[in-house]
Amino acid sequence: AQKITQTQPGMFVQEKEAVTLDCTYDTSDPSYGLFWYKQPSSGEMIFLIYQGSYDQQNATEGRYSLNFQKARKSANLVISASQLGDSAMYFCAMRSTNSGYALNFGKGTSLLVTP
Amino acid sequence: DTEVTQTPKHLVMGMTNKKSLKCEQHMGHRAMYWYKQKAKKPPELMFVYSYEKLSINESVPSRFSPECPNSSLLNLHLHALQPEDSALYLCASSQYPGLAGDYEQYFGPGTRLTVT
Repeated sequence: AQKITQTQPGMFVQEKEAVTLDCTYDTSDPSYGLFWYKQPSSGEMIFLIYQGSYDQQNATEGRYSLNFQKARKSANLVISASQLGDSAMYFCAMRSTNSGYALNFGKGTSLLVTP
Repeated sequence: DTEVTQTPKHLVMGMTNKKSLKCEQHMGHRAMYWYKQKAKKPPELMFVYSYEKLSINESVPSRFSPECPNSSLLNLHLHALQPEDSALYLCASSQYPGLAGDYEQYFGPGTRLTVT
Protein backbone atom coordinates (compact mmCIF):
# COMPACT_ATOMS: atom_id res chain seq x y z
CA ALA A 1 0.00 0.00 0.00
CA GLN A 2 1.10 3.53 -0.66
CA LYS A 3 1.29 6.31 1.86
CA ILE A 4 1.99 10.02 1.34
CA THR A 5 2.81 12.14 4.38
CA GLN A 6 2.84 15.92 4.56
CA THR A 7 3.64 16.93 8.12
CA GLN A 8 3.23 20.71 7.79
CA PRO A 9 -0.45 21.70 7.98
CA GLY A 10 0.43 25.37 7.50
CA MET A 11 3.44 27.42 6.50
CA PHE A 12 4.20 31.13 6.33
CA VAL A 13 6.82 32.73 4.10
CA GLN A 14 7.66 36.31 3.31
CA GLU A 15 7.42 37.54 -0.24
CA LYS A 16 10.61 36.95 -2.30
CA GLU A 17 11.90 34.34 0.15
CA ALA A 18 12.28 30.61 -0.64
CA VAL A 19 10.16 27.97 1.10
CA THR A 20 10.35 24.18 1.32
CA LEU A 21 7.24 22.03 1.63
CA ASP A 22 7.90 18.55 2.96
CA CYS A 23 6.64 15.26 1.54
CA THR A 24 7.61 11.73 2.48
CA TYR A 25 6.22 8.61 0.93
CA ASP A 26 6.12 4.87 1.23
CA THR A 27 5.51 2.41 -1.58
CA SER A 28 6.40 -1.14 -2.56
CA ASP A 29 6.35 -0.32 -6.28
CA PRO A 30 9.83 -0.49 -7.83
CA SER A 31 8.91 2.28 -10.25
CA TYR A 32 6.78 5.24 -9.26
CA GLY A 33 6.17 8.91 -9.85
CA LEU A 34 5.61 11.81 -7.51
CA PHE A 35 3.53 14.87 -8.31
CA TRP A 36 2.96 18.24 -6.70
CA TYR A 37 -0.28 20.17 -7.20
CA LYS A 38 -1.34 23.64 -6.12
CA GLN A 39 -4.95 24.34 -5.17
CA PRO A 40 -5.93 28.01 -4.76
CA SER A 41 -9.12 28.93 -2.94
CA SER A 42 -10.96 28.77 -6.27
CA GLY A 43 -10.63 24.98 -6.11
CA GLU A 44 -8.84 24.04 -9.31
CA MET A 45 -5.92 21.63 -8.95
CA ILE A 46 -2.90 22.98 -10.84
CA PHE A 47 -0.08 20.61 -11.77
CA LEU A 48 3.33 21.99 -10.73
CA ILE A 49 6.04 19.39 -11.11
CA TYR A 50 6.73 15.67 -11.56
CA GLN A 51 9.59 13.42 -10.46
CA GLY A 52 10.03 9.87 -11.67
CA SER A 53 11.73 7.39 -9.38
CA TYR A 54 14.38 6.59 -11.98
CA ASP A 55 15.05 10.17 -13.03
CA GLN A 56 18.72 10.95 -12.54
CA GLN A 57 18.23 14.62 -11.84
CA ASN A 58 15.86 16.53 -9.58
CA ALA A 59 12.96 18.05 -11.49
CA THR A 60 12.72 21.80 -11.96
CA GLU A 61 9.95 23.95 -13.47
CA GLY A 62 10.58 27.67 -13.30
CA ARG A 63 10.47 28.73 -9.63
CA TYR A 64 9.56 25.18 -8.55
CA SER A 65 12.12 22.48 -7.87
CA LEU A 66 11.84 19.10 -6.29
CA ASN A 67 14.41 17.93 -3.76
CA PHE A 68 14.18 14.18 -4.36
CA GLN A 69 16.01 11.93 -1.93
CA LYS A 70 15.11 8.39 -2.90
CA ALA A 71 16.89 6.63 -0.04
CA ARG A 72 15.07 8.81 2.48
CA LYS A 73 11.80 8.50 0.52
CA SER A 74 11.31 12.23 0.47
CA ALA A 75 10.22 14.55 -2.34
CA ASN A 76 10.18 18.09 -0.98
CA LEU A 77 8.92 20.99 -3.07
CA VAL A 78 11.05 24.13 -3.09
CA ILE A 79 9.46 27.40 -4.20
CA SER A 80 11.99 30.14 -4.84
CA ALA A 81 11.25 33.88 -4.76
CA SER A 82 7.77 33.46 -3.29
CA GLN A 83 4.98 35.63 -4.65
CA LEU A 84 1.66 36.63 -3.07
CA GLY A 85 -0.10 34.50 -5.68
CA ASP A 86 1.64 31.41 -4.32
CA SER A 87 -0.69 31.45 -1.31
CA ALA A 88 -2.64 28.21 -1.70
CA MET A 89 -2.94 24.60 -0.60
CA TYR A 90 -0.17 22.33 -1.88
CA PHE A 91 -0.60 18.59 -2.29
CA CYS A 92 2.03 15.93 -2.81
CA ALA A 93 0.67 12.90 -4.68
CA MET A 94 1.69 9.54 -6.05
CA ARG A 95 0.04 7.55 -8.80
CA SER A 96 -1.63 4.45 -7.39
CA THR A 97 -1.11 1.35 -9.51
CA ASN A 98 -3.89 -0.38 -7.55
CA SER A 99 -6.51 2.25 -8.36
CA GLY A 100 -6.41 2.62 -12.11
CA TYR A 101 -3.42 4.95 -11.91
CA ALA A 102 -5.42 7.55 -10.02
CA LEU A 103 -3.60 9.93 -7.71
CA ASN A 104 -3.18 9.23 -4.02
CA PHE A 105 -2.79 12.57 -2.21
CA GLY A 106 -1.14 13.65 1.01
CA LYS A 107 -3.14 15.79 3.44
CA GLY A 108 -1.70 18.99 2.03
CA THR A 109 0.13 22.06 3.31
CA SER A 110 -1.49 25.48 3.40
CA LEU A 111 1.03 28.14 2.37
CA LEU A 112 0.52 31.82 3.13
CA VAL A 113 2.85 34.34 1.52
CA THR A 114 3.02 37.64 3.42
CA PRO A 115 4.14 41.03 2.05
CA ASP B 1 -5.66 22.87 -25.46
CA THR B 2 -4.95 21.44 -22.00
CA GLU B 3 -8.34 22.26 -20.55
CA VAL B 4 -10.81 20.14 -18.66
CA THR B 5 -14.19 21.82 -18.33
CA GLN B 6 -16.83 21.07 -15.74
CA THR B 7 -20.44 22.22 -15.52
CA PRO B 8 -22.10 23.52 -13.49
CA LYS B 9 -19.66 25.43 -11.27
CA HIS B 10 -22.11 25.48 -8.39
CA LEU B 11 -25.11 23.24 -7.69
CA VAL B 12 -27.62 23.29 -4.88
CA MET B 13 -30.01 20.34 -4.76
CA GLY B 14 -32.52 18.83 -2.42
CA MET B 15 -32.31 15.27 -1.19
CA THR B 16 -35.06 14.12 -3.56
CA ASN B 17 -33.65 15.78 -6.68
CA LYS B 18 -31.90 14.19 -9.65
CA LYS B 19 -29.06 16.15 -11.19
CA SER B 20 -25.97 15.52 -13.31
CA LEU B 21 -22.43 16.85 -13.34
CA LYS B 22 -20.64 17.10 -16.67
CA CYS B 23 -16.94 16.93 -17.52
CA GLU B 24 -15.34 17.38 -20.94
CA GLN B 25 -11.81 17.20 -22.34
CA HIS B 26 -10.47 17.36 -25.89
CA MET B 27 -6.87 16.29 -25.27
CA GLY B 28 -7.39 12.73 -26.49
CA HIS B 29 -6.93 11.39 -22.98
CA ARG B 30 -8.21 7.86 -22.48
CA ALA B 31 -8.27 7.87 -18.66
CA MET B 32 -10.83 9.99 -16.80
CA TYR B 33 -11.44 10.29 -13.09
CA TRP B 34 -13.98 11.58 -10.57
CA TYR B 35 -12.71 12.75 -7.18
CA LYS B 36 -14.63 14.07 -4.18
CA GLN B 37 -13.05 16.70 -1.95
CA LYS B 38 -14.42 17.79 1.40
CA ALA B 39 -13.31 21.10 2.90
CA LYS B 40 -9.69 21.16 4.10
CA LYS B 41 -9.15 17.55 2.97
CA PRO B 42 -7.33 16.05 -0.01
CA PRO B 43 -9.26 14.76 -3.02
CA GLU B 44 -10.50 11.19 -2.70
CA LEU B 45 -10.94 8.95 -5.71
CA MET B 46 -14.48 7.89 -6.62
CA PHE B 47 -14.33 6.39 -10.13
CA VAL B 48 -11.85 5.68 -12.94
CA TYR B 49 -12.74 5.24 -16.59
CA SER B 50 -10.17 3.70 -18.93
CA TYR B 51 -10.95 3.70 -22.64
CA GLU B 52 -14.57 4.58 -21.85
CA LYS B 53 -15.02 1.61 -19.54
CA LEU B 54 -15.46 1.83 -15.78
CA SER B 55 -12.32 0.29 -14.32
CA ILE B 56 -12.41 1.42 -10.70
CA ASN B 57 -15.31 2.12 -8.32
CA GLU B 58 -13.98 2.99 -4.88
CA SER B 59 -17.04 1.56 -3.07
CA VAL B 60 -19.06 4.66 -3.90
CA PRO B 61 -22.76 4.57 -2.87
CA SER B 62 -25.16 3.84 -5.71
CA ARG B 63 -26.74 7.29 -5.41
CA PHE B 64 -23.71 8.36 -7.49
CA SER B 65 -23.83 6.91 -11.00
CA PRO B 66 -21.01 7.63 -13.46
CA GLU B 67 -21.32 7.50 -17.22
CA CYS B 68 -18.81 7.89 -20.05
CA PRO B 69 -20.80 8.43 -23.29
CA ASN B 70 -17.64 8.91 -25.39
CA SER B 71 -13.92 9.47 -25.02
CA SER B 72 -14.34 13.21 -24.36
CA LEU B 73 -17.25 13.24 -21.94
CA LEU B 74 -17.74 12.07 -18.38
CA ASN B 75 -20.96 12.49 -16.43
CA LEU B 76 -21.83 11.93 -12.80
CA HIS B 77 -25.53 11.37 -12.17
CA LEU B 78 -26.78 12.24 -8.70
CA HIS B 79 -29.95 10.95 -7.07
CA ALA B 80 -31.25 10.98 -3.50
CA LEU B 81 -28.10 12.52 -2.09
CA GLN B 82 -27.49 13.21 1.58
CA PRO B 83 -26.27 16.48 3.14
CA GLU B 84 -22.92 14.80 3.86
CA ASP B 85 -22.41 14.46 0.10
CA SER B 86 -21.90 18.23 -0.07
CA ALA B 87 -18.36 18.70 -1.41
CA LEU B 88 -16.24 19.82 -4.34
CA TYR B 89 -16.40 17.27 -7.16
CA LEU B 90 -13.32 17.27 -9.36
CA CYS B 91 -12.97 15.65 -12.75
CA ALA B 92 -9.53 14.83 -14.16
CA SER B 93 -8.06 13.24 -17.26
CA SER B 94 -4.68 11.91 -18.35
CA GLN B 95 -2.93 9.87 -20.94
CA TYR B 96 -3.16 6.26 -19.92
CA PRO B 97 0.05 5.50 -18.00
CA GLY B 98 2.10 2.67 -19.32
CA LEU B 99 5.49 1.61 -20.45
CA ALA B 100 5.91 4.84 -22.40
CA GLY B 101 6.03 6.87 -19.24
CA ASP B 102 3.98 8.64 -16.65
CA TYR B 103 1.68 11.57 -17.18
CA GLU B 104 0.20 14.30 -15.08
CA GLN B 105 -3.51 14.49 -14.52
CA TYR B 106 -5.28 17.60 -15.70
CA PHE B 107 -8.08 18.73 -13.41
CA GLY B 108 -11.21 20.70 -14.12
CA PRO B 109 -12.26 23.62 -11.92
CA GLY B 110 -14.71 21.43 -10.03
CA THR B 111 -18.40 21.61 -9.15
CA ARG B 112 -19.26 22.83 -5.64
CA LEU B 113 -22.26 20.78 -4.62
CA THR B 114 -24.53 21.63 -1.71
CA VAL B 115 -27.23 19.16 -0.70
CA THR B 116 -30.03 20.67 1.39
